[in-house]
Amino acid sequence: AQTVTQSQPEMSVQEAETVTLSCTYDTSESDYYLFWYKQPPSRQMILVIRQEAYKQQNATENRFSVNFQKAAKSFSLKISDSQLGDAAMYFCAYRGNNAGNMLTFGGGTRLMVKP
Amino acid sequence: EPEVTQTPSHQVTQMGQEVILRCVPISNHLYFYWYRQILGQKVEFLVSFYNNEISEKSEIFDDQFSVERPDGSNFTLKIRSTKLEDSAMYFCASRPLSYEQYFGPGTRLTVT
Repeated sequence: AQTVTQSQPEMSVQEAETVTLSCTYDTSESDYYLFWYKQPPSRQMILVIRQEAYKQQNATENRFSVNFQKAAKSFSLKISDSQLGDAAMYFCAYRGNNAGNMLTFGGGTRLMVKP
Repeated sequence: EPEVTQTPSHQVTQMGQEVILRCVPISNHLYFYWYRQILGQKVEFLVSFYNNEISEKSEIFDDQFSVERPDGSNFTLKIRSTKLEDSAMYFCASRPLSYEQYFGPGTRLTVT
């Protein structure tokens, strides 16, 4: 079974600075997808960024980018120019190619942004 | 932009009662999911549904749980006899043929 590990329960960053959230995963599959979801206090799950494992190029969405290291099974999220609205729980998620294509989530990292 | 919707936003029920949580997936989506998140914990997969049948379920999804797509638009999760430990946020998600899942805003279930 796949597992996703987020080793940082909490992180803090100064407004306008850069922060990196870590995620590692364990899988025997070669084709899969990785995601970062943001969960603000409203608890809505918001997709931040996605990465296909077959793509070598790291995904980027505005201030959000990933560092995908397939051999190391690592998928970190970098947030540049942090804003107060970035404060939330961030979940890393894995999707393989099983019948249900469900997501397996990590335990989350709470990001605090200091003004 | 189309959204997944869920009702109610908050449901309070007594232990042993049946509850039905409702979801309206995005209209052209083909795959449907339920997840739950106990307060302070990770999001856990419950069940996936495709072509009017369950395609996969987790060990959490025991005989107390069932899912239905009764009318081609709604997707429901029923818990037959709720327990205290069923208190959680329940998220519905849907996706088209592509791999990206879209989540609803969640239903907070409180079992007293």
